[in-house]
Amino acid sequence: LAKTTQPISMDSYEGQEVNITCSHNNIATNDYITWYQQFPSQGPRFIIQGYKTKVTNEVASLFIPADRKSSTLSLPRVSLSDTAVYYCLVGPRYYNQGGKLIFGQGTELSVKP
Amino acid sequence: NAGVTQTPKFQVLKTGQSMTLQCAQDMNHEYMSWYRQDPGMGLRLIHYSVGAGITDQGEVPNGYNVSRSTTEDFPLRLLSAAPSQTSVYFCASRPLSGTSGGALTDTQYFGPGTRLTVL
Repeated sequence: LAKTTQPISMDSYEGQEVNITCSHNNIATNDYITWYQQFPSQGPRFIIQGYKTKVTNEVASLFIPADRKSSTLSLPRVSLSDTAVYYCLVGPRYYNQGGKLIFGQGTELSVKP
Repeated sequence: NAGVTQTPKFQVLKTGQSMTLQCAQDMNHEYMSWYRQDPGMGLRLIHYSVGAGITDQGEVPNGYNVSRSTTEDFPLRLLSAAPSQTSVYFCASRPLSGTSGGALTDTQYFGPGTRLTVL
């Protein structure tokens, strides 16, 4: 299983763009990259998923370079409500390629006014 | 529909006691899993299941048992609670879609968590 490394914490201010990078040097060919957000006292919530290049949804963008050894979650114009822990997961898309979804330590993002 | 529900929300046990954490989902999801989260740490996978009658171990299975008799329910049993099992426990579910084993890394839906203290 690919191991992920993220910064333990990050600080930002309201209105800024935040980029959180995740390293996954041992990513396998059939692995996808998924990001979750967790608020205090709640379970994690899916944000975005991708395999390569760039993926964008209404919440965030995910940038994945050609070698796929890292990925960057980009949050545009953060607000105080984006203060949370962000997890990067790397794992196979299909169950028959390996059934476990492993979370790392996550990045604690603190957005200040 | 209620999504993923967990009971109880809080529990205090004495060392050596046993108990069952309940998890239920009403979305007809095949895949269900249990995680524990300790202060300052990420979520660690305890056990998971891809359907009724099928379970497998995660990263930290010792001290916990699971069973999956129905699609809806996935209880987690602590056989003899230890202080090291003090944690917040999250249950999650997601569908397995497709004909070749199903997609695993798409959205997981998490329950609200059970905060367990073992004295």
